[in-house]
Amino acid sequence: EVQLLESGGGLAQPGGSLRLSCAASGFSFSDYSMTWVRQAPGKGPEWVSTIGGSGSYTYYADSVKGRFTISRDNSKNTLYLQMNSLRAEDTAVYSCAKDPLQEGGHWFDPWGQGTLVTVSA
Amino acid sequence: EIVMTQSPATLSVSPGERATLSCRASQSITNDLAWYQQKPGQAPRLLIYGASSRATGSPARFSGSGSGTEFSLTISSLQSEDFAVYYCHQYKDWPLTFGGGTRVEIK
Repeated sequence: EVQLLESGGGLAQPGGSLRLSCAASGFSFSDYSMTWVRQAPGKGPEWVSTIGGSGSYTYYADSVKGRFTISRDNSKNTLYLQMNSLRAEDTAVYSCAKDPLQEGGHWFDPWGQGTLVTVSA
Repeated sequence: EIVMTQSPATLSVSPGERATLSCRASQSITNDLAWYQQKPGQAPRLLIYGASSRATGSPARFSGSGSGTEFSLTISSLQSEDFAVYYCHQYKDWPLTFGGGTRVEIK
């Protein structure tokens, strides 16, 4: 069974940083692209960033480009999201999701339960 | 950016009735469309991909149709567990985008 477990969320001040992790199990991690998606309270999902299976390519939403960095450690079956220069509008539940193929740009299945990031002074 | 517009925002349906949800893309996405179901406190669950292919574990009462810019998700006979929010998602082009959602509530 595929399992995705996020951690690292919490309260951060505007301008601060957080690093999210997503521990994956139940599949050959390096064979699949992975994605971070976020949902602000009461809102729909927003795609944040995608990384290829080997980590050789990455994509970012304009809203986070230059501030967030996606990465992965295939030896640890773990996906990361380094979030810098945080803003109030980054407040959301952040979930990792598995892509069906090694190259990204597809549907997501499954999604993790997510970790809450709150940016507030 | 491809904008996805879902309608209606809320759909009130009685159990056992048929429900049809709509999703429109601002430009052609051929059939690169997925549908997800989300219940309170849970992560979204994939129902449909490729506009009409049912995901593993997705009940047969869920069906997707459409291509280009107009898509629909039909629930043939609503069960109590189907009352939730449904999102469409285009993966034709970056940035990947989602619709605003349709809430299916009990009438």
